[in-house]
Amino acid sequence: QVRLAQSGTEVKKPGASVKVSCKASGYTFTNYDFNWVRQATGRGLEWMGWMNPRTGNTVYAQRFQGRVSMTRNTSINTAYLELSSLTSDDTAVYYCARGSGELDYWGQGVLVTVSS
Amino acid sequence: DIQMTQSPSTLSASIGDRVTITCRASQSIRSWLAWYQQKPGKAPKFLIYKASTLETGVPSRFSGSESGTEFTLTISSLQPDDFATYFCQQYKDYPWTFGLGTKVEI
Repeated sequence: QVRLAQSGTEVKKPGASVKVSCKASGYTFTNYDFNWVRQATGRGLEWMGWMNPRTGNTVYAQRFQGRVSMTRNTSINTAYLELSSLTSDDTAVYYCARGSGELDYWGQGVLVTVSS
Repeated sequence: DIQMTQSPSTLSASIGDRVTITCRASQSIRSWLAWYQQKPGKAPKFLIYKASTLETGVPSRFSGSESGTEFTLTISSLQPDDFATYFCQQYKDYPWTFGLGTKVEI
């Protein structure tokens, strides 16, 4: 069965960077696009961007341009999200999700806390 | 960016009730709309795509419809497992955007 397994909780200081991972299993990794979506506590869902794992092509939401990077390692079926210049506003649960529009499978989420 | 206005923000209902949640797009998104269910502490669960197509395995009491830029999620007979927050999402244009959610509570 399809599973997206994300890495564990992160605590970072303001100005730092964070890199979270999402390991896919149960399907052919390069056949489906990856997305990253975040959710601050008690808030809605915010789409951050999309990556084609076959080509490495990406589309980022403009508000994250310049400080977000989505990459992958096809040999281990893993996608990565890196976010830099963190502020307290980046404290949220970060989800990976599979899909090219509708998002049919989601990881369990990673809590990233930014605090001095 | 396309704004998705979802209403109501909270909905109180009872088991067996028919429940309707609405999402309005700020511009045409054709049928490029999905619905998700989220329970506390869990990732969203995919329910419906292309406005009205039920994902495999989703109970038939869930349905979606559209009229212009207004989209509706209907639960025909609310079950205990349905108490959750529901989100709509447009995927016509980047950045994909979500509604703020509707919490269905007892």
